[in-house]
Amino acid sequence: EAGVTQSPTHLIKTRGQQATLRCSPISGHTSVYWYQQALGLGLQFLLWYDEGEERNRGNFPPRFSGRQFPNYSSELNVNALELEDSALYLCASSLAGTGKNEKLFFGSGTQLSVL
Amino acid sequence: GQQLNQSPQSMFIQEGEDVSMNCTSSSIFNTWLWYKQEPGEGPVLLIALYKAGELTSNGRLTAQFGITRKDSFLNISASIPSDVGIYFCAGHGSSNTGKLIFGQGTTLQVKP
Repeated sequence: EAGVTQSPTHLIKTRGQQATLRCSPISGHTSVYWYQQALGLGLQFLLWYDEGEERNRGNFPPRFSGRQFPNYSSELNVNALELEDSALYLCASSLAGTGKNEKLFFGSGTQLSVL
Repeated sequence: GQQLNQSPQSMFIQEGEDVSMNCTSSSIFNTWLWYKQEPGEGPVLLIALYKAGELTSNGRLTAQFGITRKDSFLNISASIPSDVGIYFCAGHGSSNTGKLIFGQGTTLQVKP
């Protein structure tokens, strides 16, 4: 069974551009989560989608947005890129969207570099 | 907001030694999860804990959910070189936010 898949693996952009990151959850999982892992800052919660709806977002500016498609895959969009957006962006999925006590399974991430 | 303090930050040990690391929180958690991350990869789930006092093993790994629900411990017995990586604790608080809070990680290096 395939795990969580993310694309692209690496993405290089310049300041002010937009980035789109994609994620496919484990088959049967309905919830998708996005986390940012910046150097030295640990994993920071970005967004949670379940059944196509945004259920919660972390303390990030509105230029971080996303969506979940009917097949439960998800996109993360980052507009007006800033240098400090350079990080590993991790997508995770879980079986159900209760919002609590879920086991999250992570993909390998997209390394975004903003020059 | 809820925070997790994970210690130690890093460990450099000899192959065959046992390893212990822990996480503490200022508030109660309902779930504790332990992950391992290797370079260029995402975190891999090692152990999940759901009840206070619960002790769960996965091979040479053993983790415990603290009685106070504010801490958790991970032990690795007889370490081997492939145990190298960053170990993260993570927990769900009491509200249904979907937000998993992570510790800062423990970097483990094993000398053959």
